[in-house]
Amino acid sequence: TQLLEQSPQFLSIQEGENLTVYCNSSSVFSSLQWYRQEPGEGPVLLVTVVTGGEVKKLKRLTFQFGDARKDSSLHITAAQPGDTGLYLCAGNTGGFKTIFGAGTRLFVKA
Amino acid sequence: DVKVTQSSRYLVKRTGEKVFLECVQDMDHENMFWYRQDPGLGLRLIYFSYDVKMKEKGDIPEGYSVSREKKERFSLILESASTNQTSMYLCASSFMGGPSYEQYFGPGTRLTVT
Repeated sequence: TQLLEQSPQFLSIQEGENLTVYCNSSSVFSSLQWYRQEPGEGPVLLVTVVTGGEVKKLKRLTFQFGDARKDSSLHITAAQPGDTGLYLCAGNTGGFKTIFGAGTRLFVKA
Repeated sequence: DVKVTQSSRYLVKRTGEKVFLECVQDMDHENMFWYRQDPGLGLRLIYFSYDVKMKEKGDIPEGYSVSREKKERFSLILESASTNQTSMYLCASSFMGGPSYEQYFGPGTRLTVT
């Protein structure tokens, strides 16, 4: 069974702090996505990474795909209350199905 | 922008009722998916469809069926609702092609079965 493990499961920090969320698997993925989900809403796609070692930046968010394409990280610099939400990573091995992690719930206090 | 809409945001049904959840996407995507999301378990795939009238079981298809008569519409059916089907149901669609299968989600339907 393919699994994507996310850590930490829950994170509560002060505005202005930095944080990193991790997504790990024993499987190799052809692509990996990061989503953010706000309460009562569906997940919204943030980024896709496809190349081992790839780094993508989205304003204060930095996404990295591991060299072996088995893991990924999301780093947020100077977190803001608007970053609060559930962050999901999702991996695809080339077929129709995507494997989702259970998510990291982030709460940024003003 | 891709838009995926779901027929209801909140739904309350009684045990044994037949429940229909509708999903419509406007980007001509080939693939459509139904997930349920439960705390601590993440998103679990119920069914998916890669073409009209085609359907494939996901990881937890028991107690559910689906219908895709038109490309833009994918329906999830709970034949006889049970309390353990109380959950958040998310529909998604994606374009077939390229190295990634980025999924676009609807707002979700929170179903409560009493």
